Amino acid sequence: DAVLTQSPLSLSVTPGQPASISCRSSQSVVHIDGNTYLNWFQQRPGQSPRRLIHEVSNRDSGVPDRFSGSGSGTDFTLKISRVEAEDVGVYYCMQGSKWPPTFGGGTKVEIK
Amino acid sequence: EVQLVESGGGLVRPGGSLRLSCAASGFAFTSYWMNWVRQAPGKGLEWLANINKDGSAQFYVDSVKGRFTISRDNAKNSLYLQMNSLRAEDTAVYYCARGAYFDNWGQGALVTISS
Repeated sequence: DAVLTQSPLSLSVTPGQPASISCRSSQSVVHIDGNTYLNWFQQRPGQSPRRLIHEVSNRDSGVPDRFSGSGSGTDFTLKISRVEAEDVGVYYCMQGSKWPPTFGGGTKVEIK
Repeated sequence: EVQLVESGGGLVRPGGSLRLSCAASGFAFTSYWMNWVRQAPGKGLEWLANINKDGSAQFYVDSVKGRFTISRDNAKNSLYLQMNSLRAEDTAVYYCARGAYFDNWGQGALVTISS
């Protein structure tokens, strides 16, 4: 299985400051079709997960442009350019390129 | 608007069974694979199973293989998860999620396994 390791486990950010979350895979998550099915999800307190980013860097509809995704192969990053209070929650990476689909352990984002 | 609504959760004794349902609306249900994902209390997300568009193929994570069965009724726009031989470690919120890319999720159904 492709094990996804996220870091840091948590971060506390001052509003308006940037934040960055790393997701590293134990193996390449490039699909045999050449695409990389690496997604990022946000889970706000008490809510179900919401997809933010698909295929490494494509923002979902309605997602603020302060969220961006990048990376390739085994190393991926989610960046929030200017953290806002509504960004509080846990962020998960997930890969769908290799069987079975796997999630990272999550990164908790708090506001200072 | 895409909607996924889980139901059927509850308290079950170890060794018991439960069937979860996920009612889909607002999209062409037959055009999508569907998934079940769970989240144990205070823990992360775990993919459990998925099913292809016509229900002819199902895939499972090893930890539930042989105990859980995913199915769908396309005439009713519904997804199901039959859970047997339940264990304490199956206690979790169970989510249905749409498609190969998990682009929409339900609100979740809480399943508690306890004597």
